[in-house]
Amino acid sequence: GNSVTQMEGPVTLSEEAFLTINCTYTATGYPSLFWYVQYPGEGLQLLLKATKADDKGSNKGFEATYRKETTSFHLEKGSVQVSDSAVYFCALMDSSYKLIFGSGTRLLVRP
Amino acid sequence: NAGVTQTPKFRILKIGQSMTLQCTQDMNHNYMYWYRQDPGMGLKLIYYSVGAGITDKGEVPNGYNVSRSTTEDFPLRLELAAPSQTSVYFCASSISGPSPGELFFGEGSRLTVL
Repeated sequence: GNSVTQMEGPVTLSEEAFLTINCTYTATGYPSLFWYVQYPGEGLQLLLKATKADDKGSNKGFEATYRKETTSFHLEKGSVQVSDSAVYFCALMDSSYKLIFGSGTRLLVRP
Repeated sequence: NAGVTQTPKFRILKIGQSMTLQCTQDMNHNYMYWYRQDPGMGLKLIYYSVGAGITDKGEVPNGYNVSRSTTEDFPLRLELAAPSQTSVYFCASSISGPSPGELFFGEGSRLTVL
């Protein structure tokens, strides 16, 4: 079946450090891929998405590239800020328009 | 803009009690979902609906029921609450079509069963 695997957290970084959060998926075909972010006490919100192989999604300085060869969709940011502290979820959309989420990775950015 | 609204935000139940989590959206979205989020875990789909009058089971439907009598509302019913249902519940909605996958989430309902 379809599944998403994320690196375990928490990830602790200093402000302005480079961020990578790994995400790999298992799916039939080529599903759309997503990163959602959950700030403390809030629901999830869409951060970026990619709908086909080699697409790059980007938003708020975050980027992720859809790599079908490695079935990966790693999240990156060149310089993190304290305000980026949150839980990040990788997800794929199956053929029934249902999202399947990874377990989430908590990011803590220290000043 | 209201978006997706869930009530209540917090609730404590005793084992065996029943309750309904309310969810309403004002975006005229066809698709609605209920997820649960356990500590340190990702979201698990409980039930979903692709339109009024149509519902279907997700990964973890046991112990729950839903209905979708209108486009706006998608209540989740817990019958005979059990400690295993202690979780944070999220309702979400989306519109099918050219931009699938963008779910709009409510703020969550934290349920504790003692």
